[in-house]
Amino acid sequence: EIVLTQSPGTLSLSPGERATLSCRASQSDSSSYLAWYQQKPGQAPRLLIYSASSRATDIPDRFSGSGSGTDFTLTISRLEPEDFAVYYCQQYGSSPYTFGQGTKLEIK
Amino acid sequence: QITLKESGPTLVKPTQTLTLTCTFSGFSFSTNGVGVGWIRQPPGKALEWLALIYWDDNDHYNPSLKNRLTISKDTSKNQVVLTMTNMDPVDTATYYCAHRARGFGDYMDVWGKGTTVTVSS
Repeated sequence: EIVLTQSPGTLSLSPGERATLSCRASQSDSSSYLAWYQQKPGQAPRLLIYSASSRATDIPDRFSGSGSGTDFTLTISRLEPEDFAVYYCQQYGSSPYTFGQGTKLEIK
Repeated sequence: QITLKESGPTLVKPTQTLTLTCTFSGFSFSTNGVGVGWIRQPPGKALEWLALIYWDDNDHYNPSLKNRLTISKDTSKNQVVLTMTNMDPVDTATYYCAHRARGFGDYMDVWGKGTTVTVSS
């Protein structure tokens, strides 16, 4: 099973700042089948990024994904108030599909 | 517009079988590439992928839960059913169904709001 480790656990930033979230896989499946989701309290996850770097439909271009192999990054170029939430990465290249433990992005 | 809605009991007793239904609109299992999956989230914890069923009746389970899970579909009713046997308090979670995106790989692009299931005697 591929274990995804997200860092940091909590990130405290101010609106307008840049956020960089990391997701490291315990092994590589060489597929770049890596997605990022945003989840707000009491809501379902929302797909942001798939295939490591492709933005999902209607996702603002301040969200970008990068990486390959075992190291992946979600970058939010300029934080808006609505971006403060929990972010999960997920790999879907190797069964069982697994999620990271999440990074909470909070307002500083 | 794709929508999904989960339904089922909110409370089950230990050892009982849980049956959840996902009713969807905006797509059909008659279309190649379509899939619906289930994911759960214990309170305050991370997401856990459970199972996925495809338009061609193939399915894919989390190996750690495979012996407890069954996923099935009713194309005419636009529904997917997940059953989980031998429920335990650790299975207390919000259960989500989600639409498999039409592309390469099993990522989920539209999710239901989720249904909360508590396992307690």
